[in-house]
Amino acid sequence: AQRVTQPEKLLSVFKGAPVELKCNYSYSGSPELFWYVQYSRQRLQLLLRHISRESIKGFTADLNKGETSFHLKKPFAQEEDSAMYYCALKDTGFQKLVFGTGTRLLVSP
Amino acid sequence: DSGVTQTPKHLITATGQRVTLRCSPRSGDLSVYWYQQSLDQGLQFLIQYYNGEERAKGNILERFSAQQFPDLHSELNLSSLELGDSALYFCASSVGTGGEQFFGPGTRLTVL
Repeated sequence: AQRVTQPEKLLSVFKGAPVELKCNYSYSGSPELFWYVQYSRQRLQLLLRHISRESIKGFTADLNKGETSFHLKKPFAQEEDSAMYYCALKDTGFQKLVFGTGTRLLVSP
Repeated sequence: DSGVTQTPKHLITATGQRVTLRCSPRSGDLSVYWYQQSLDQGLQFLIQYYNGEERAKGNILERFSAQQFPDLHSELNLSSLELGDSALYFCASSVGTGGEQFFGPGTRLTVL
């Protein structure tokens, strides 16, 4: 069964500190993985996807198939990064998204 | 706003009642997805429609049903409501069946 695990409910860091939000998955096949972000009072929006290998707002994520992980990283956190972050896996058979439970990132000044 | 829209924003009702949530996809998007976000279950996929036809089903209860109309808007019907149905219900849309999903602002349902 497909599953996405985000072990941390809350991650609190100071501005300028490195950030790593953990995501592990289980999926039989080639996964397509995403990070979604939800800022306060805003809708869920796509942050990045592993197939595009891009950096958005300074965030990167590398798919590690050996460790079945897709951790989200940023070298220097900013206060505006404070938000809820969801890791998601696309079930390519049905195109639905399977979400993790989310991690709230709080960046303090 | 050319993005995904959902109405109403908030809905408060009683157990045993029936409600309808509405979603209008982005212009040009043919797929609509429904998700439920609750405190204990997180974000869970309920159902997907593509161009009026049901495409995929997730953890959707039999008390829940959905449809997509010819103008591509979708409705999620929740009946015989229980306290545990209280949640945020999100709609998302995509161009085809597998493209990037764009989410609406959600409808917060409270069952008292």
